[in-house]
Amino acid sequence: DGGITQSPKYLFRKEGQNVTLSCEQNLNHDAMYWYRQDPGQGLRLIYYSQIVNDFQKGDIAEGYSVSREKKESFPLTVTSAQKNPTAFYLCASGRDSSMNTEAFFGQGTRLTVV
Amino acid sequence: GQQVMQIPQYQHVQEGEDFTTYCNSSTTLSNIQWYKQRPGGHPVFLIQLVKSGEVKKQKRLTFQFGEAKKNSSLHITATQTTDVGTYFCATSTGNQFYFGTGTSLTVIP
Repeated sequence: DGGITQSPKYLFRKEGQNVTLSCEQNLNHDAMYWYRQDPGQGLRLIYYSQIVNDFQKGDIAEGYSVSREKKESFPLTVTSAQKNPTAFYLCASGRDSSMNTEAFFGQGTRLTVV
Repeated sequence: GQQVMQIPQYQHVQEGEDFTTYCNSSTTLSNIQWYKQRPGGHPVFLIQLVKSGEVKKQKRLTFQFGEAKKNSSLHITATQTTDVGTYFCATSTGNQFYFGTGTSLTVIP
């Protein structure tokens, strides 16, 4: 089945530790995105990538880093510099950079800092 | 970047009542998309509208795109408990998706 896989589903992190969230897609999509969702809130864009080896900051990139070494993979690292990392993280992909393409979301990773 | 405003933020309805959420932009949109996120789940694409004044239906759901392509609405007729969730509007510009803040729908049995 084609889709986007995020892992793990739940993640606990101690303060001061970096943690990497995995996002893999087998849809052959060019574009990939990372969003953060806080309780009762909308989706805020962290980083996005339109092509391999290239990515751009979104609205709330501070304290996060990404890489796009392969078309299928777009991991997100939450660094210790992120002051309030507890949130629901959603990875998404889009077919290409044209307009009128929809976003496909993974199941999400719920990160809790303990 | 583009901003898409969505109202209301929350809506509680009795089962069987109708529900509407509205999406507005200060700029002309090339398209409007609607997504549904069930509690604890992830957003799932419902539909896309691209033409001025376009209306599309999916069973009890009716989606409209305004004549000026600056607003949109999602109307659910006779809500059911399966309609519970958060409904997001969004627009795709090619580089990014811009999401509204969402409307959380609670259906009271």
